[in-house]
Amino acid sequence: EDKVVQSPLSLVVHEGDTVTLNCSYEVTNFRSLLWYKQEKKAPTFLFMLTSSGIEKKSGRLSSILDKKELFSILNITATQTGDSAIYLCAVEAGHGGATNKLIFGTGTLLAVQP
Amino acid sequence: DAGVTQSPTHLIKTRGQQVTLRCSPKSGHDTVSWYQQALGQGPQFIFQYYEEEERQRGNFPDRFSGHQFPNYSSELNVNALLLGDSALYLCASSLSGTAGTEAFFGQGTRLTVV
Repeated sequence: EDKVVQSPLSLVVHEGDTVTLNCSYEVTNFRSLLWYKQEKKAPTFLFMLTSSGIEKKSGRLSSILDKKELFSILNITATQTGDSAIYLCAVEAGHGGATNKLIFGTGTLLAVQP
Repeated sequence: DAGVTQSPTHLIKTRGQQVTLRCSPKSGHDTVSWYQQALGQGPQFIFQYYEEEERQRGNFPDRFSGHQFPNYSSELNVNALLLGDSALYLCASSLSGTAGTEAFFGQGTRLTVV
């Protein structure tokens, strides 16, 4: 059965700290791995990764994928209170044609204290 | 450009009742997927609609059904509601035929079954 596992489940840090969130997966017909940030309701897109070893970067956030070891990490440097949210990792699985389904992990709850 | 819109935002139903949730995809998108997110969990894939047909389905009972209209909007219907159906229901839209494209999520409908 396809599964996506995130760790840690929750994390409390202070402003300015650097955090690393982990995502491992066992999914057949892997197509891509995506990271989302969920603050209240709608998950908002952060990164999509399809190739191993190529870092995606957006401001203080960065992410990389290892398709051999089947994991990805999301790094946040110089954390701010506005980074407090649930971070979801999802794997797109399926075949070509119509967009495929996303398999989500349970998420990592990040709390950044002032 | 309107993003993904869902209605209603909140809903309270009694066990055994039926409910219909609605979703309008982002402009230009033709594929709609529905997810159920229970408290403290990641979203779980329910099903996906493309060209007015159900293309993929997750591990949900037949009480969960859907529809897609010619304008790409979609409905999720749940019959014979159970307490365990209480969750945030998320709609995601995307464009078919593009590998690894990110899905855009709506704000969700919070369903409470009492």
